[in-house]
Amino acid sequence: GEDVEQSLFLSVREGDSSVINCTYTDSSSTYLYWYKQEPGAGLQLLTYIFSNMDMKQDQRLTVLLNKKDKHLSLRIADTQTGDSAIYFCAERRQGGKLIFGQGTELSVKP
Amino acid sequence: NAGVTQTPKFQVLKTGQSMTLQCAQDMNHNSMYWYRQDPGMGLRLIYYSASEGTTDKGEVPNGYNVSRLNKREFSLRLESAAPSQTSVYFCAVRPDGSYEQYFGPGTRLTVT
Repeated sequence: GEDVEQSLFLSVREGDSSVINCTYTDSSSTYLYWYKQEPGAGLQLLTYIFSNMDMKQDQRLTVLLNKKDKHLSLRIADTQTGDSAIYFCAERRQGGKLIFGQGTELSVKP
Repeated sequence: NAGVTQTPKFQVLKTGQSMTLQCAQDMNHNSMYWYRQDPGMGLRLIYYSASEGTTDKGEVPNGYNVSRLNKREFSLRLESAAPSQTSVYFCAVRPDGSYEQYFGPGTRLTVT
């Protein structure tokens, strides 16, 4: 996962917005994904964005893509304690292979 | 987990032992994947299979073999386990025609 970079930790207060950032290196990546992993569980697909889009919104989630800077972000509005988890970004490479970042651990304090 | 099952959930092996991790889907999709997850490193692709009977190496295939004898199952084999293979192993399925991958619950493997 060394080609996809994320900060390791983020701490926010309940009700605030969370912004998780990711940078990737392969400009030919067609799809970029956000996955959520709760403790002891598998990965849950949250949302994804096609590379020709700048923004995608899905309820409390907003994904922003800056192709020029190869920067992807996930904004969670009105963050709740149930949002505490590790969030992974991933880029899709040839053959459908996903390259993952290291994951950002989001901690939501009441 | 979108119909993806993995067995076993937990396993402890001694160095040099062998074992097979099983993954099965209850759909009929062509593409299946094996990843390992290590702390601070995200997930890394071990092997993938684009269809029944075909397999290809991912980022970290050394020390592993895979088998895709039918569409439903994709197994991962460790012939001679090493402590460096202590990890959580995830299987994933990509529905035909989609760009999403759905993951199983994982197998937590410890090699002592």
